Amino acid sequence: ELKVEQNPLFLSMQEGKNYTIYCNYSTTSDRLYWYRQDPGKSLESLFVLLSNGAVKQEGRLMASLDTKARLSTLHITAAVHDLSATYFCAVDGPGYALNFGKGTSLLVTP
Amino acid sequence: GAVVSQHPSRVICKSGTSVKIECRSLDFQATTMFWYRQFPKQSLMLMATSNEGSKATYEQGVEKDKFLINHASLTLSTLTVTSAHPEDSSFYICSARGAYYNEQFFGPGTRLTVL
Repeated sequence: ELKVEQNPLFLSMQEGKNYTIYCNYSTTSDRLYWYRQDPGKSLESLFVLLSNGAVKQEGRLMASLDTKARLSTLHITAAVHDLSATYFCAVDGPGYALNFGKGTSLLVTP
Repeated sequence: GAVVSQHPSRVICKSGTSVKIECRSLDFQATTMFWYRQFPKQSLMLMATSNEGSKATYEQGVEKDKFLINHASLTLSTLTVTSAHPEDSSFYICSARGAYYNEQFFGPGTRLTVL
């Protein structure tokens, strides 16, 4: 059974600070996805990581993938309030169905 | 990215009634569509995978007679919750994947409340 573990599950951070969210998965996969979810909304795609060593950046968020370690990170730089949301990582399972982590609820405070 | 719509966005129904949710890929052909369910403060759980023209594959623990999935065309999949009960109240999200994409595209979700 494919397992996807995120940590931390809850994160409260001050504006301007940096932090990293970790995503570990249990079986080999070359694809990993990061999503953002705002309350009451569906998922917004942030990053699609398709190979070992992939690194993508968008604004204050940067994601990386190490398939050998089965680890992805989502790094937040100089957090701002607008980044407050829940962040999910997900890995392809059989038939490309996604297996999601439990999500990291991020709150950025002044 | 490609666009996926869902209808309705919100539905409230009485216990025992059936509810149909539509998921459409608007600008691409979806070879596979997925249905997920999300309870409050929880992650998304896959309910079923459907391929156009074939029967859906349900995840363990999902009642196929209760959650009827039809994928009649390359742009439309429907989920019918039959004889809905309050415990079926949840946020239902569909996604679609096309042959030429490396990712799934998610619909905006349907919030079902069963009274």
